[in-house]
Amino acid sequence: KQEVTQIPAALSVPEGENLVLNCSFTDSAIYNLQWFRQDPGKGLTSLLLIQSSQREQTSGRLNASLDKSSGRSTLYIAASQPGDSATYLCAVGGSARQLTFGSGTQLTVLP
Amino acid sequence: ETGVTQTPRHLVMGMTNKKSLKCEQHLGHNAMYWYKQSAKKPLELMFVYSLEERVENNSVPSRFSPECPNSSHLFLHLHTLQPEDSALYLCASSQEGTRGGELFFGEGSRLTVL
Repeated sequence: KQEVTQIPAALSVPEGENLVLNCSFTDSAIYNLQWFRQDPGKGLTSLLLIQSSQREQTSGRLNASLDKSSGRSTLYIAASQPGDSATYLCAVGGSARQLTFGSGTQLTVLP
Repeated sequence: ETGVTQTPRHLVMGMTNKKSLKCEQHLGHNAMYWYKQSAKKPLELMFVYSLEERVENNSVPSRFSPECPNSSHLFLHLHTLQPEDSALYLCASSQEGTRGGELFFGEGSRLTVL
């Protein structure tokens, strides 16, 4: 059974800092990996999707990497802003039907 | 209309009530999902409708009943719920077979059971 762990559970950084969020998974036979953002009381917003054949994806200040052999993914956020404050969730999929979510990292960017 | 729309956004119900949550997707996707998000727990997949096939998590109690009349609409019928069912219920959709199954979520329905 796939297990997904996100460390740390919470992170607080000053504005402007570059930061890395971590996601690890136990079964390397994955179809894809998706990073989401969730604001309090809201739904999930898809940030980046990495297919199993890819090593990384980039969107603006965000860069996600995938290392299947070690069971790890990282989400890099450059030049963090207070508006980046949210919970970031990693989901690992055998398919969209079989997505396993981590518990998330709650990020606070201080002005 | 944007993406995935859920109604109502907030619902308070007693344990003897019957209510329904509604989800509509405007993305032309062929799969829809119900997820449950409880405090301090990872998202839990409840039901999937994909290409007219229903897949469910066997741990979901029968007091939750899904309905998918077509590929754009999904309902979750609720009856005789328990206080521990209070949670955020999220609907999502994806296109199986293309784009690697990227999942798109609605804003959620916050359910409180008294």
